[in-house]
Amino acid sequence: DTAVSQTPKYLVTQMGNDKSIKCEQNLGHDTMYWYKQDSKKFLKIMFSYNNKELIINETVPNRFSPKSPDKAHLNLHINSLELGDSAVYFCASSPGIGGEAGYTFGSGTRLTVV
Amino acid sequence: SQQGEEDPQALSIQEGENATMNCSYKTSINNLQWYRQNSGRGLVHLILIRSNEREKHSGRLRVTLDTSKKSSSLLITASRAADTASYFCATDAFTGDMRFGAGTRLTVKP
Repeated sequence: DTAVSQTPKYLVTQMGNDKSIKCEQNLGHDTMYWYKQDSKKFLKIMFSYNNKELIINETVPNRFSPKSPDKAHLNLHINSLELGDSAVYFCASSPGIGGEAGYTFGSGTRLTVV
Repeated sequence: SQQGEEDPQALSIQEGENATMNCSYKTSINNLQWYRQNSGRGLVHLILIRSNEREKHSGRLRVTLDTSKKSSSLLITASRAADTASYFCATDAFTGDMRFGAGTRLTVKP
């Protein structure tokens, strides 16, 4: 069983479109995260949710909106996609808030905006 | 903002050699962790060292932490071709999330 699963794995879309990436974890973790990895491999935190409550909201364009229907799911919706949004997006989860016990990552969603 | 910075950016060694990667960070931390990322995959947690620890071992991995210098090192002994990957340090700096560096790309030649 996959611990943290993201869908889709690849996403190619045109500028201006709206798209969503889904993430689910079956580890019973309380906290979930979205990270963006750019072409230089930098990983940047975007959002984190603890028990469906937003706890971290970094400086991210408001075209990005996370939604957590329950603590096992954290989806990322992106409006009006731009070329600069092209990156790999990783979902992760942890038992508590922060890195006390390490993160479990999904395998990533490679978003390409053309 | 980034917290950890890995050094070197890339490292190429022969199978059987040891690989050492370094990480520097800027603020006080609760713990520091190392992750591995194989090409096209997610990150995998390798080892966690707490701020009151100086050294930790896990199999062929040895991690050191020097909080006075705000630095850590990851040593992989007797490297194998399968160790080829990018290695990231990440810090838990009491911000509620982990902050990652850009990673060290390790290539182990058979």
